[in-house]
This record gives sequence, C-alpha cells and structure tokens, in this order.
Amino acid sequence: KQEVTQIPAALSVPEGENLVLNCSFTDSAIYNLQWFRQDPGKGLTSLLLIQSSQREQTSGRLNASLDKSSGRSTLYIAASQPGDSATYLCAVRRGTDKLIFGTGTRLQVFP
Amino acid sequence: EAGVTQFPSHSVIEKGQTVTLRCDPISGHDNLYWYRRVMGKEIKFLLHFVKESKQDESGMPNNRFLAERTGGTYSTLKVQPAELEDSGVYFCASSQNRAQETQYFGPGTRLLVL
Repeated sequence: KQEVTQIPAALSVPEGENLVLNCSFTDSAIYNLQWFRQDPGKGLTSLLLIQSSQREQTSGRLNASLDKSSGRSTLYIAASQPGDSATYLCAVRRGTDKLIFGTGTRLQVFP
Repeated sequence: EAGVTQFPSHSVIEKGQTVTLRCDPISGHDNLYWYRRVMGKEIKFLLHFVKESKQDESGMPNNRFLAERTGGTYSTLKVQPAELEDSGVYFCASSQNRAQETQYFGPGTRLLVL
C-alpha cells in the first residue's frame, strides 16, 4: 500500500529565505508526482508535475526534484515571499489514475 | 477558460438527511475525479469517471454514496443518509485525457453533518 509522508508538517520562515519541502513515498513504482498548493478555503492549484522518467521540473522560483529509487521528492522555493504562504501537498500516481496525497506542509512566510 | 466549479461551496445538514454535491469539470475534459478530506486526514480518492462511465470507484466508502455523470458532462455525488463522519471537504478534479495527466481541482464543497 502506497503511503506518502510530508516533512515538516509546518514551517515558518522570514521573507527571502530559500526553503525545501520534503515528500517521501513508500512504493517507488509511481507513474508521476504532482505538487499542489492550497490556500485557506480554496481548492488545489497544480504547481509542478514530474513524470517518473524525469529528475526535476522548474517553474519560476519553484524547483521540484524526484528520486524515484529512494522514494523522495523535494520542492525548492527560492527567495520566499509572504504570498507563498499556503499548504503544499504532494501526490503520487501509480498505474491507475487516482492520486495518493500526503498530509501537506503548512508554510508561513513572514515579512 | 473556466476552471472546475463545484456547488454548493458549503453545506450544513443534520444526520440522516440527504445532500447532493455537484461538479462541473473543465469543458472537454473526459476524466472526472472525486476526492475528499476528512478532518485532520489527507485527501483521499473516491472515484473516477471517464465520460459517463465509472472507471474506478474503489475509494467510495459505502453504499450511502452515489455518484453519477449523466451525459459525460457534470457529475453529482449524493450522500444518503448522511452520517457525522461524512463531514469534510469534497473536491472534484478533471483532466483532458489520461496521457495529459495533470488533474485540475475545483475549490471544494465543505460539508458539515450535525
């Protein structure tokens, strides 16, 4: 059974810091991994999608890496801003279409 | 292009009542998914439609939950009768085809069963 864990559960940093969010999964036979952002009371916004054959994906100040063999992904946020404050979720996908989510990391960036 | 929409945004009902949630996927998306998050837990998959057919309903918790997608457009998720443990946020997502893979999520329906 696939399990997805995100560490830390919560993180509070001053503006401008570079930070890393971690996601680990128990079964390396994944199809892809997706990072989402959720703002309070809102839906999920897809940030990055990494296929199992890829090592990383970049979008603006975000960089996600994938090490399938070790069951890990990291989301790197450069030069954090207060607007980055949200809950970040990772989700893995196996052969079926369903996503298996982690519990998330709640990020607060203060001015 | 409009995103995934869900209605209602919030619903408060009493135990034993019936509630119907609606999801309108992005136009042209054949794949529609339902997920939910109950208090303090991770988001979990409920079921997947391809057009009007149920592709995978392995996540449906019990027979009090009924999902439909008549005509392959919008979908409804009915809970009858609702129980306290059904409280949570119900998300809908859609994708154009399985090869594209990115799932686009709606804002969710917050259900509270008293």
